[in-house]
Amino acid sequence: QVQLQESGPGLVKPSEILSLTCTVSGGSSSSDYWNWIRQPPGKGLEWIGHIYNSGHTSYNPSLKSRVTISIDTSKNQFSLKLSSVTAADTAVYYCARGLTGTTPRPFDCWGQGTLVTVSS
Amino acid sequence: QTVVTQEPSFSVSPGGTVTLTCGLSSGSVSTTYYPSWYQQTPGQAPRTLIYSTNTRSSGVPDRFSGSILGNKAALTITGAQADDESDYYCVLYMGSGIWVFGGGTKLTVL
Repeated sequence: QVQLQESGPGLVKPSEILSLTCTVSGGSSSSDYWNWIRQPPGKGLEWIGHIYNSGHTSYNPSLKSRVTISIDTSKNQFSLKLSSVTAADTAVYYCARGLTGTTPRPFDCWGQGTLVTVSS
Repeated sequence: QTVVTQEPSFSVSPGGTVTLTCGLSSGSVSTTYYPSWYQQTPGQAPRTLIYSTNTRSSGVPDRFSGSILGNKAALTITGAQADDESDYYCVLYMGSGIWVFGGGTKLTVL
């Protein structure tokens, strides 16, 4: 049973870089890929991007200029960096596993989420 | 930019049947968009209900079903129960590795 856990600062200052890490336990397979999703308070879900174990990434076009997702397979971790943050980036940030295949499961298993507030 | 559309809210009576839809601001949803559905209760992470149009995730009751209805993806709940009262999100694959969520539907059971 795969489990994911987000970690990182809960408060980030405007214009700085938001950095989060997701630690994966319970194993992974070659069909896995790893997502970041966020949800502003009281609003809907927004896909941020994903990374494969190979390091290949895809990003939400609306965030692409500010987002970097990286992976450290030796530590079973992947990370999110979001630059030049503003109050609009305040959200609960989730990591989630995706599964490729003939019946893809984009967000099969989710972390519990971590609230990041952007404020001075 | 293509927008994924969902009904903002819906209500259903206990024991009743409700169909939530997931459409596109331009064009029709087909199986090639691999529509998936998620249920979220307040303060909790979303839970996968349906993926690839109509495949139920492990442990999901068979009263939840997915389909394509007309030009939209659909999530049908039959025999609605009080604990089905949640927010429901769909997500569609837009190609080039990009996924887009709908705005979500708040379902009330009353």
